[in-house]
Amino acid sequence: DSGVTQTPKHLITATGQRVTLRCSPRSGDLSVYWYQQSLDQGLQFLIQYYNGEERAKGNILERFSAQQFPDLHSELNLSSLELGDSALYFCASNPSGGEWETQYFGPGTRLLVL
Amino acid sequence: DAKTTQPNSMESNEEEPVHLPCNHSTISGTDYIHWYRQLPSQGPEYVIHGLTSNVNNRMASLAIAEDRKSSTLILHRATLRDAAVYYCILSFYGGSQGNLIFGKGTKLSVKP
Repeated sequence: DSGVTQTPKHLITATGQRVTLRCSPRSGDLSVYWYQQSLDQGLQFLIQYYNGEERAKGNILERFSAQQFPDLHSELNLSSLELGDSALYFCASNPSGGEWETQYFGPGTRLLVL
Repeated sequence: DAKTTQPNSMESNEEEPVHLPCNHSTISGTDYIHWYRQLPSQGPEYVIHGLTSNVNNRMASLAIAEDRKSSTLILHRATLRDAAVYYCILSFYGGSQGNLIFGKGTKLSVKP
């Protein structure tokens, strides 16, 4: 158990809908990362937050957005969902987001868009 | 971004050592070398990381070439639980940006 929690574990929805994925980082960690893992693209970095502020952006679509709240939990919002958005979404956290730091991954949310 | 090259797959027998290679010929002087693994149906899990010197921890050892253009993850005695995809990653050096760029990794199979 990494100490990172993600909810829900599974999500099934329809095209065009909007969903919110939630991540609670390890106690004391200020940095949160979101990754997407699909069969054809592998694990891809989406976005990073540090203490409520966006720090880095990866291959995140404009239909996707994220935020980190004062209690440090983070939410990833996916809107206008398409079939291709079906994937595993992982959240990771570490204390300060430095490149030398280990990232601790949550168990993921499996999203299926029908 | 500095890229890594790993074999797609490797096989090992249980209780034998495993050497997982990684080439990173375009590594910069300040890139860290990280290894993560992903067991089936789980999130990635940290294994080990290093900068210049060889590193050991309870899970594995990391041997880094003198020119840092390659590294090898060593599992001293493979168990069935070590069957996973192993990713060799160079940290993206951007001040305090620590996002990981995953490649396709090496799928390790362990035979009993």
